[in-house]
Amino acid sequence: DAGITQSPRHKVTETGTPVTLRCHQTENHRYMYWYRQDPGHGLRLIHYSYGVKDTDKGEVSDGYSVSRSKTEDFLLTLESATSSQTSVYFCAISEPLRGGLAGRAAQYFGPGTRLLVL
Amino acid sequence: DAKTTQPPSMDCAEGRAANLPCNHSTISGNEYVYWYRQIHSQGPQYIIHGLKNNETNEMASLIITEDRKSSTLILPHATLRDTAVYYCIVRVAMGSQGNLIFGKGTKLSVKP
Repeated sequence: DAGITQSPRHKVTETGTPVTLRCHQTENHRYMYWYRQDPGHGLRLIHYSYGVKDTDKGEVSDGYSVSRSKTEDFLLTLESATSSQTSVYFCAISEPLRGGLAGRAAQYFGPGTRLLVL
Repeated sequence: DAKTTQPPSMDCAEGRAANLPCNHSTISGNEYVYWYRQIHSQGPQYIIHGLKNNETNEMASLIITEDRKSSTLILPHATLRDTAVYYCIVRVAMGSQGNLIFGKGTKLSVKP
């Protein structure tokens, strides 16, 4: 299994509080991704990173911010959690093939974080 | 990325081969076919991918038709631990993003 850990694995919080989820990898992969998974929607991309301090928005980025100060860590922050952000959050990593293209590289996923916002 | 169509569910007897079909009739010449699976409550797991040739690894085989409009994932000897949702994804070697777009997948139930 790829060396990906997520913390915390479970969290319950209240509406309006800030929450930070951490993804840590030991594979030295360049790309890191945050997805959320909800019933009826499958996995949806929130943000991704293509290098240290290089990040970009995904499909459902509103209400989320990310930071990547080191290759191995990718943080997802909910500035002010809402009940609609109750979800399972997955981190993924990949290493682009030659030419820097991420598309053909397989992605490896972490175990997920279950977040409940009351 | 091209759209894929998969049956919502399939059953397979333990020890038999599981053949999971996927239609991707609008696939472009530079799009790859990927298969992932998700076992309940776990993160998705990469299985295999291919462009036009058949591929095999320690987990599965991928058979892509000559016109590339459909493919089949084969688990040669299914076990109870192969019960999962299987996702077929087609995507091009894009620029910097490369995110995966998961559809509803096929729920495979392996029965004793």
